Amino acid sequence: LAKTTQPISMDSYEGQEVNITCSHNNIATNDYITWYQQFPSQGPRFIIQGYKTKVTNEVASLFIPADRKSSTLSLPRVSLSDTAVYYCLVQGGSQGNLIFGKGTKLSVKP
Amino acid sequence: DTAVSQTPKYLVTQMGNDKSIKCEQNLGHDTMYWYKQDSKKFLKIMFSYNNKELIINETVPNRFSPKSPDKAHLNLHINSLELGDSAVYFCASSQDALAGVYEQYFGPGTRLTVT
Repeated sequence: LAKTTQPISMDSYEGQEVNITCSHNNIATNDYITWYQQFPSQGPRFIIQGYKTKVTNEVASLFIPADRKSSTLSLPRVSLSDTAVYYCLVQGGSQGNLIFGKGTKLSVKP
Repeated sequence: DTAVSQTPKYLVTQMGNDKSIKCEQNLGHDTMYWYKQDSKKFLKIMFSYNNKELIINETVPNRFSPKSPDKAHLNLHINSLELGDSAVYFCASSQDALAGVYEQYFGPGTRLTVT
């Protein structure tokens, strides 16, 4: 099963771009990479999902290199409300591969 | 209008008791999940059901028994509660996990405290 590794914490300031990297060296061919955001006392919330190259939505971008052994979540111009824990998930559908990373606690300061 | 709801939100009980947590989703999803998040915030999959059929069953003590009366509900029953069961339990749902990889919608969580 693909194990994921993320930094435990990161600090940033309002208006900066934040990049959080997740390592998943043993990712399988049919695995997708998904990122979730979690605020205290709430359930995780979907941010973005990708398989390879780059995916962008209104909230974030996801960069996945050709070997797919890592992925980087990019949050443009963060605000105080982006302070949360961000989880990387390697997900292989019906094969049951649902491995969450340990999460990166992002603290955004004014 | 809550997409994924769980009851109760808080549950405090003593060791050895049996308790249940209920989950309901009104999104029309085919797949539902139970996760456990411990005090260190690790989020671990426990079970997954697709159209009332078990598709994921991670290494979980058999004191934990999920039950899916219909595809909109996935309840979690826990027998003989232990101190180590104290955690936040999240229910989630998604489109048919057997057909593809879809985003999951999580409930608000149930904080279980075993004393």
